[in-house]
Amino acid sequence: DVKVTQSSRYLVKRTGEKVFLECVQDMDHENMFWYRQDPGLGLRLIYFSYDVKMKEKGDIPEGYSVSREKKERFSLILESASTNQTSMYLCASSLLGFYSPLHFGNGTRLTVT
Amino acid sequence: AQRVTQPEKLLSVFKGAPVELKCNYSYSGSPELFWYVQYSRQRLQLLLRHISRESIKGFTADLNKGETSFHLKKPFAQEEDSAMYYCALKTRITQGGSEKLVFGKGTKLTVNP
Repeated sequence: DVKVTQSSRYLVKRTGEKVFLECVQDMDHENMFWYRQDPGLGLRLIYFSYDVKMKEKGDIPEGYSVSREKKERFSLILESASTNQTSMYLCASSLLGFYSPLHFGNGTRLTVT
Repeated sequence: AQRVTQPEKLLSVFKGAPVELKCNYSYSGSPELFWYVQYSRQRLQLLLRHISRESIKGFTADLNKGETSFHLKKPFAQEEDSAMYYCALKTRITQGGSEKLVFGKGTKLTVNP
């Protein structure tokens, strides 16, 4: 069974801090994604990557960056955290293929104070 | 632009009643559509996908290209169906050779005893 692991379940950070959210998958998936999930707004794509060192902007990339140095690991970076980045962050991975479903991690609940 | 619309934020039915969760999409290409479900305190998971044309947990969904819809249906709702349901559209990213998944805002289904 595919396992997507997000390093933290809950995080509390202060405004202006640099924040790293880590995600690891164990199924050799090419694609990896970062979404944020907010009530009433659904899931919005921040960044995704289809290969090591490759990244593509999603729909809301402002204030975020990503890093994919190894195939199994995809990191989301908040360069200078702000209160409007308080959210649930979901990592997902999938095989390369139009019909391949996404496999999600448990999510990281980030609170920026 | 690709867009997924789920017109109902909340849907409440009684156990044993039919349920239909609506999903409409906007996409100029050939769509691949998915339904994802998130039960309370669980990770987001795939429920079913258009290409498989299967029935999962009694749910079915038919792609209607004329109406650009992919509504999720179940003839007899059960209490354990209470969850958040997301419709999602997969689109191709030609330059990168990858794909991304665009989600609707979700419908919270409550099945009352």
